[in-house]
Amino acid sequence: EDQVTQSPEALRLQEGESSSLNCSYTVSGLRGLFWYRQDPGKGPEFLFTLYSAGEEKEKERLKATLTKKESFLHITAPKPEDSATYLCAVPGQSYNTDKLIFGTGTRLQVFP
Amino acid sequence: GAVVSQHPSWVICKSGTSVKIECRSLDFQATTMFWYRQFPKQSLMLMATSNEGSKATYEQGVEKDKFLINHASLTLSTLTVTSAHPEDSSFYICSAGLGTGRNQPQHFGDGTRLSIL
Repeated sequence: EDQVTQSPEALRLQEGESSSLNCSYTVSGLRGLFWYRQDPGKGPEFLFTLYSAGEEKEKERLKATLTKKESFLHITAPKPEDSATYLCAVPGQSYNTDKLIFGTGTRLQVFP
Repeated sequence: GAVVSQHPSWVICKSGTSVKIECRSLDFQATTMFWYRQFPKQSLMLMATSNEGSKATYEQGVEKDKFLINHASLTLSTLTVTSAHPEDSSFYICSAGLGTGRNQPQHFGDGTRLSIL
């Protein structure tokens, strides 16, 4: 069964304190992995797509990496405005659907 | 690009009322849109897949007669919560894919907070 697990569930960082968020997945035949940011009371905002092991994507203080089993979202020198819930998702196993399977997210809080 | 607009953003209504939520893709055409429900501090739960010009596909446990979905054009899908009750109170979010092929990310609206009194 396709599954996505994110850790930690919650993360508190001091401003400038770099860290990483983990997304582990079990799907047969990965067809992409997506990272989203969700602010309270808002819909998820698309951040990155990764398609193959070894691929990396960067945007400002965020860098996403992908291996055959997991993805990491590295946050370098975070600022309070980086506080949000970060979600990862993968397409479901069935090839006749565009359904996404989401992890439960990591709630990040960055304190000044 | 890939902007999805959802309306209204917040609804408060009495029990027994039917509520319609609109989801529009503003700068692209979406043959498929998705409707999610999210409870506080939980992840998104897919309710149904909305296909333009055909019937929606509902996830297991989601009542088709309760949550009516219409996808009449390539840029608009609507979710109607019929005879809403307090237990239907939740955050409803729609999304759409660019439709240029499989394995594309979905782009989300800003959600609708539904409160049933």
